[in-house]
Amino acid sequence: AQTVTQSQPEMSVQEAETVTLSCTYDTSESDYYLFWYKQPPSRQMILVIRQEAYKQQNATENRFSVNFQKAAKSFSLKISDSQLGDAAMYFCAYRSGENTGANSKLTFGKGITLSVRP
Amino acid sequence: NAGVTQTPKFQVLKTGQSMTLQCAQDMNHEYMSWYRQDPGMGLRLIHYSVGAGITDQGEVPNGYNVSRSTTEDFPLRLLSAAPSQTSVYFCASSSALGSGGTDTQYFGPGTRLTVL
Repeated sequence: AQTVTQSQPEMSVQEAETVTLSCTYDTSESDYYLFWYKQPPSRQMILVIRQEAYKQQNATENRFSVNFQKAAKSFSLKISDSQLGDAAMYFCAYRSGENTGANSKLTFGKGITLSVRP
Repeated sequence: NAGVTQTPKFQVLKTGQSMTLQCAQDMNHEYMSWYRQDPGMGLRLIHYSVGAGITDQGEVPNGYNVSRSTTEDFPLRLLSAAPSQTSVYFCASSSALGSGGTDTQYFGPGTRLTVL
């Protein structure tokens, strides 16, 4: 079974600074996808960024980028120019690319609470 | 296009009571899932469905039943509520891989359930 580990329960960043959230995972599969979801106080789950394991290029979405290290099974999220609206819980998630129905099954880490200091 | 909707938003039950959490999506997605979120645990998969009439268990299925009679709806039933089922429940939907649509899972707003 796959596991996703987020070992830092909380982090804090100064507004306009850069912060990196860590995530490691364990799998024996070669085809999979990784995601970062944001959950603000409203509780809504919002997809921030996704990465296909077969792509060597790191995904980028505006101020959000990932550092995907496949051999190390590491998938960190970098938030540049942090804004007050970035304060939320962030979840790292894994999805198999190999099984029927895999798209309906995400494995989540425990999450990290990010606070942004003005 | 309402996306994924869940009702109710909040619910309080007594131990032993039964109830159904409703989930509906209007995106014609083949796949639907139920997760529960507990403090310090992240989201864990309860049950999922890859199409009408097809359901399967996730990581934490005990105490819950599901059925999928239509593409749009995927209700979650608590047969005899227990305090351990106090949690926030999320429903999600997504397209089947290779169906031409995005494979992103779209989440509903969640239901906060308290079992006394």
